[in-house]
Parts: sequence; structure tokens; C-alpha cells
Amino acid sequence: AQSVTQLDSQVPVFEEAPVELRCNYSSSVSVYLFWYVQYPNQGLQLLLKYLSGSTLVKGINGFEAEFNKSQTSFHLRKPSVHISDTAEYFCAVSDSVFGNEKLTFGTGTRLTIIP
Amino acid sequence: ETGVTQSPTHLIKTRGQQVTLRCSSQSGHNTVSWYQQALGQGPQFIFQYYREEENGRGNFPPRFSGLQFPNYSSELNVNALELDDSALYLCASSSQKQRNGELFFGEGSRLTVL
Repeated sequence: AQSVTQLDSQVPVFEEAPVELRCNYSSSVSVYLFWYVQYPNQGLQLLLKYLSGSTLVKGINGFEAEFNKSQTSFHLRKPSVHISDTAEYFCAVSDSVFGNEKLTFGTGTRLTIIP
Repeated sequence: ETGVTQSPTHLIKTRGQQVTLRCSSQSGHNTVSWYQQALGQGPQFIFQYYREEENGRGNFPPRFSGLQFPNYSSELNVNALELDDSALYLCASSSQKQRNGELFFGEGSRLTVL
């Protein structure tokens, strides 16, 4: 069975400051990791994903994440946040990437940017 | 390219009633998945449809059922509604050909059960 733990339910950050949103996972098989963002009253949008290869992955809107197998983590980072980054962020894990993915999500981290 | 569309966007039902939610998948996508997102929680996998057949199911009771049609659109049906069924229901589409792990989500149908 797979599970995802997002350690922080809410993260307030000043505008232009760096941010890290933490994600830990557990899985008994190969994992594929994702970060999705959900803006108010909208569906989920993929930010970035780790499938294989380089452990540092870059996504949209200046976000990046690092896959750490030994620590079973996939933390999301951005060096300088903007007001428009205010949203809910979800970490997710899948054991497949063949078009039949069944994602297991964490409970989310609400990122609030303070002007 | 048409994205994933869901209807209705909002609806209110009472306990014991039945509800049908609809989803049109993104153009070219043949797999549809449904997720339930309760308030303050992450989405939970309900089930997935591929080639009009159920292709995996999460920990949801049989009163949650679905259909996929030849044009790859899908329905989620919930019978005997309970208060805890109040949630945002998200539909996501993907393609067995793309093999890149990405799901494309609709904006969801928000169900309130009174």
C-alpha cells in the first residue's frame, strides 16, 4: 500500500521569500511522484513529476522538487514566491505511469503569500 | 484541444437520494478516473474506467458506481446518499498511449447532501 504525508497543513510566507513544502511517502514498489496545485474553486493542475532519471525536477511557475529515495521524500521548493502562488498544494504517488495511474494524494498544504 | 469538463458544477441533494455526475474527457484520452475530495482533504481515488470497463477501484462501497461510454465520457452514480458524501467530485482523464504519468483534471462537481 502507498501513502503520502504532507507535514504542514498551512504555510504562510512573505512575498519574494523562499518556500519549501514537505512531502514524505511510503511504498513497497517503484514510485512515481507528483505535485499538483489547486487554485480556489478549480481542479488540480500538474506542477511537476518525478518518473526516473535526475532526482531534481523542475516544473511550471518556477517550482522544483527533489526526490530523495533514502529519506522517502519529495519536497517542493520555490526560491521566491509571488502572490499568485497562493493555493493548495498536493503531493501524490503512483505505482504506474502507463496511462492507468491511480494516484494516492496527501492531505494538502495551503500556501498563503503575505504581501 | 478541449479539456476535461464536468457537470453539474454544484448540486444539493438530501439523504437517501441518488445523484449522477458527468464528465467529458480531454480529446484523445481513453481513460477516466474519479476522485472524491472532502473538505480539507486530498482527493481519494474512487474508480477508473478504460474501454468502458472498470479498471481498478478504491475503498468505496458499491453504491458508488460508474459508466464509460464509447466516446470515453463517463458518469459517476451515487445511490442512497449519506451526509458524508458531501464533497468535490473530480474527474481526470489520461491516455494509455502517453505514458508520462499526467492526469488532466476537470474543475469538479461540488455535491452537498442535506
